[in-house]
Amino acid sequence: QSALTQPASVSGSPGQSITISCTGTRSDVGTYHYVSWYQQHPGKAPKLIIFEVSKRPSGVSNRFSGSKSGNTASLTISGLQAADEADYFCSSYTGRNTLFVFGTGTKVTVL
Amino acid sequence: QVQLEQSGPEVKKPGASMKVSCKVSGYTLTDFSMHWVRQAPGKGLEWMGSFDPEDAEPVYAQKFQGKFTMTEDTSADTAYMELSSLSVDDTAVYYCARGNGFLGHYLDNWGQGTLVIVSS
Repeated sequence: QSALTQPASVSGSPGQSITISCTGTRSDVGTYHYVSWYQQHPGKAPKLIIFEVSKRPSGVSNRFSGSKSGNTASLTISGLQAADEADYFCSSYTGRNTLFVFGTGTKVTVL
Repeated sequence: QVQLEQSGPEVKKPGASMKVSCKVSGYTLTDFSMHWVRQAPGKGLEWMGSFDPEDAEPVYAQKFQGKFTMTEDTSADTAYMELSSLSVDDTAVYYCARGNGFLGHYLDNWGQGTLVIVSS
């Protein structure tokens, strides 16, 4: 199972919106509505910020939103803040035999 | 409050085996699936496998089949992962994470990570 493809880096100024793409195949993102996104600050464990494409766990800011079209999922961060500077990883369910795959990861820089 | 507490860092020689524990609190281990994820230095997240208590069957990423074993001590609410025949490429931070939703497809709580260094 190959990793989902994400851009290596995305940057934006405070207050701007940025979008991170996550491209898979018909075997994962394209078939299942089970795409999640994780935020990871340096030296910390990942934190779930989006699940089932567009749902936010309790306590996660509504500045984070998710969507999907075909084989590509997207994470949008609006009103960019310094605290949003982190690595972001997508993941997708891939079926009962292999279950799970992560994206390659995107480093978000706040200029 | 859900918590996953992992065992401490380890240094291992190539060819050795390692075992990492993950003690959960705030929920019952058998009510959710448990996933293991690793992250090599400066690299991305790599899913290793998971154990779904409903199926009682582990699912391993193909890359780790035969090398990676997951077990659970339900009486102690503790999950374990064991990796054998270690090589320097196994140097990484290893995370346990609780799976939620259909077949545990999203990881809603994570352990703090266990650094394992493989070096001669």
